[in-house]
Amino acid sequence: EIVLTQPPDTLSLSPGERVTLSCKASQSVSSSYLAWYQQKAGQAPRLLIYGASTRATGIPDRFSGGGSGTDFTLTISRLEPEDFAVYYCQHYGGSTGITFGQGTRLDIK
Amino acid sequence: EVQLVESGGGLVQPGGSLRLSCVVSGITFSSHGMRWVRQAPGKGLMWVSHINTDGSSTSYADPVKGRFTISRDNAKNTLYLQMNSLRAEDTAVYYCARIRGTYGFSSDYWGQGTLVTVSS
Repeated sequence: EIVLTQPPDTLSLSPGERVTLSCKASQSVSSSYLAWYQQKAGQAPRLLIYGASTRATGIPDRFSGGGSGTDFTLTISRLEPEDFAVYYCQHYGGSTGITFGQGTRLDIK
Repeated sequence: EVQLVESGGGLVQPGGSLRLSCVVSGITFSSHGMRWVRQAPGKGLMWVSHINTDGSSTSYADPVKGRFTISRDNAKNTLYLQMNSLRAEDTAVYYCARIRGTYGFSSDYWGQGTLVTVSS
């Protein structure tokens, strides 16, 4: 079973800053099946990135994804107030379903 | 407009049963696999189950295997989750979501969630 780890659990940043979030897989995974979601309090998750680097429909270009193998990243080039939320990476494993990382919370400093 | 609307959540005693529904509109429901994902209070996301387009193939996370059953009625554009032998640790918001095969099997549309509370 693949385990996704997202260090650290919380990051405190200011609007306008650039941030790179990390997602580490316990074994090499296909980039095709790596996605990122944003979740705000009381809301459903929102798909940001699929295939490790492709932005979903309507996602601003300040969000970008990258990485391969066991190390993946989500970069927000310039934080807007609405970007402070929890971010999850997710891997699709076929019949074994999907695995989420534990999430990284972005807090306003 | 695409909408996924869950219902059926509520308070149930340990050992009890609930059936969740997810009515989908604005997309061709029968063309997409679907999944359930849950989130315990203050915790992260956990995959529960998924089902293929015609219901012939299903899969479950180990914590719910043998207790939960996913199904769908394509004529009614509705996804179901039958939950039996409920435990306190099943307490969570349950989300239904569309599986987008061309998006690496990620989920681009989600419902608003329905809360299941298992408590005596």
